[in-house]
Amino acid sequence: DAMVIQNPRYQVTQFGKPVTLSCSQTLNHNVMYWYQQKSSQAPKLLFHYYDKDFNNEADTPDNFQSRRPNTSFCFLDIRSPGLGDAAMYLCATSIRQGLNTEAFFGQGTRLTVV
Amino acid sequence: AQSVTQLDSQVPVFEEAPVELRCNYSSSVSVYLFWYVQYPNQGLQLLLKYLSGSTLVKGINGFEAEFNKSQTSFHLRKPSVHISDTAEYFCAVSDLRYGGSQGNLIFGKGTKLSVKP
Repeated sequence: DAMVIQNPRYQVTQFGKPVTLSCSQTLNHNVMYWYQQKSSQAPKLLFHYYDKDFNNEADTPDNFQSRRPNTSFCFLDIRSPGLGDAAMYLCATSIRQGLNTEAFFGQGTRLTVV
Repeated sequence: AQSVTQLDSQVPVFEEAPVELRCNYSSSVSVYLFWYVQYPNQGLQLLLKYLSGSTLVKGINGFEAEFNKSQTSFHLRKPSVHISDTAEYFCAVSDLRYGGSQGNLIFGKGTKLSVKP
């Protein structure tokens, strides 16, 4: 059974039109992460939530925002998508941020910007 | 700053042949290392990890990796590959700003393994 679920698996959006990607988890984990993976590049952490505590990576563009209304759900909002934002977006969770706590990844959402 | 280098962007190999995917890391302190596999249009699946202890780590699907501190390497190996091993493989190091968190990772650019019949 899927434990980290990303919806939709494929998303097409128009240039400049706000888009939201969704991640839900059934693990009751405290930490949720969002990664961006552009074509033929390494996944790159955008931000993470520890409970309601939001942690933004220093080089994450302002165009990217996130919301976590409750433990189970976390959203990635792209306010004005550009062509360069086309990528696979990966959500992950872990029970806490410690050495012996495994992270679990979702299947990803592939975003296309037209 | 920490970084991960995967020297080979693509590795073609014939079925049942051995394979080694190379990974080197840069870190001045203790490191925690991971290998993930990604099938087309799928998420990341953990193959194996090194946190401490034995430098030879065994993972799923018959893969293993050896942590070599003096060479700052963590190469992935499999003695006999199958067609189903065709995928992209990512080496990663835990971002030490977060105390070795397995969710805060710095990834290499990946190696595409192509297994041919």
